[in-house]
Amino acid sequence: GQNIDQPTEMTATEGAIVQINCTYQTSGFNGLFWYQQHAGEAPTFLSYNVLDGLEEKGRFSSFLSRSKGYSYLLLKELQMKDSASYLCAVRDKDYQLIWGAGTKLIIKP
Amino acid sequence: IAGITQAPTSQILAAGRRMTLRCTQDMRHNAMYWYRQDLGLGLRLIHYSNTAGTTGKGEVPDGYSVSRANTDDFPLTLASAVPSQTSVYFCASSEFPLNTGELFFGEGSRLTVL
Repeated sequence: GQNIDQPTEMTATEGAIVQINCTYQTSGFNGLFWYQQHAGEAPTFLSYNVLDGLEEKGRFSSFLSRSKGYSYLLLKELQMKDSASYLCAVRDKDYQLIWGAGTKLIIKP
Repeated sequence: IAGITQAPTSQILAAGRRMTLRCTQDMRHNAMYWYRQDLGLGLRLIHYSNTAGTTGKGEVPDGYSVSRANTDDFPLTLASAVPSQTSVYFCASSEFPLNTGELFFGEGSRLTVL
C-alpha cells in the first residue's frame, strides 16, 4: 500500500529552527509537496520538489531524497504565526496526491 | 478575487437526509477535487474531475456523488447521510495535470451527521 509518515506533533521556540521530516512509500513518484494549514483554515501551498536536493524559499526550505523516500521541511527564524499543521503529500504514478496526516507545530515564546 | 467558494460553511444534518455541498471556482482551472479531512488522518480524495464533463472516483467515494456540468461548479452530494460522514470537506482546484503542484482550496464545509 501507499504510505506517508510524518511526526504527529512537534514543539519549537520562537526564533529557533525546526525540521519536519516526511518519509514515503508510494506507487511511483511524480513530486512531493508541502502545505501549511492553520487551525480551522484551508491548506495553502508551500513548496514542490521533484528532483533531489534543497529548494529554498525565504525562511522555508524543502529537501528531497528520492532514493531514500525522504523529505524534510526546514523552518528558520520561527515566528508565532508559524504555529500550524504541515502536510506532506506525494504525487504517485497516476498523478494522484497521497497525503500524510500532518505535523502539528507548536511555537512557544 | 474569490478563488474557490464553498457552501455551506457548516451544517448539522440528520442521518438519512440528502445533502449537497456546493463548490464554485473563478480561476478557470481544469481540475477540481473533493477531499474529506478527519482528525489523525490525511486528506482523503472522494471524487475528482480533470475537466468539465468528466469525473472519477478517489480513495473514499462510497456514499458520495459528484457532477461537473461546467468548468466552474463541482457539487458533492450525499444521497443518504450517515454519521461516519461527519467530517470537514474541502473542495480544491488546480491546473491539470498539476504541473506546479499547487492545489487551491476552499475554506471547507464542516458537516455533522447525527
